[in-house]
Amino acid sequence: QKEVEQNSGPLSVPEGAIASLNCTYSDRGSQSFFWYRQYSGKSPELIMSIYSNGDKEDGRFTAQLNKASQYVSLLIRDSQPSDSATYLCAVIGGSYIPTFGRGTSLIVHP
Amino acid sequence: KAGVTQTPRYLIKTRGQQVTLSCSPISGHRSVSWYQQTPGQGLQFLFEYFSETQRNKGNFPGRFSGRQFSNSRSEMNVSTLELGDSALYLCASSLEQLQETQYFGPGTRLLVL
Repeated sequence: QKEVEQNSGPLSVPEGAIASLNCTYSDRGSQSFFWYRQYSGKSPELIMSIYSNGDKEDGRFTAQLNKASQYVSLLIRDSQPSDSATYLCAVIGGSYIPTFGRGTSLIVHP
Repeated sequence: KAGVTQTPRYLIKTRGQQVTLSCSPISGHRSVSWYQQTPGQGLQFLFEYFSETQRNKGNFPGRFSGRQFSNSRSEMNVSTLELGDSALYLCASSLEQLQETQYFGPGTRLLVL
């Protein structure tokens, strides 16, 4: 059973701070990694995809991948109240089956 | 460009019935995937269709099936509904591959009584 683990939270950060979201996965053959944001009552929206070790930056978001440690993270700089949502980590392994974590709830308070 | 659309948005069925859900992908997208989301299990992959063929399948019983038409529109069918099938069913489309950016539709919320 391929697993993707996330801390359910909630993770509470003040506005303007850096929010750090973490995800570990069990399938060493995993090749594709994604972070989705899901607002309550809405469908998931892709924030970042990352395929190779290292950092990938897009605006206020940075995804970090470490395949040796089987770890992927998402940093949100200058967090805004509008960033308050559940963040889902998804991994696609050699079987081409997407596996999602249960999500981390992020609360950004003014 | 219009997003992924799903119909119906809400559905109430009783145990033992069957249900068919529909998904229209973004124009030009050929890969359509289906997911089930529940509070207990989270978001789980059901299957993916590409060029009218099921290309990948998750770990769900045979009561869950799907198909894709030549215009890439897809349907998902659940037979002999169980209470545990109550969930949000999400469809997502991408250009060619699961590994590409997937765009999710608004979902169909199914309640089985």
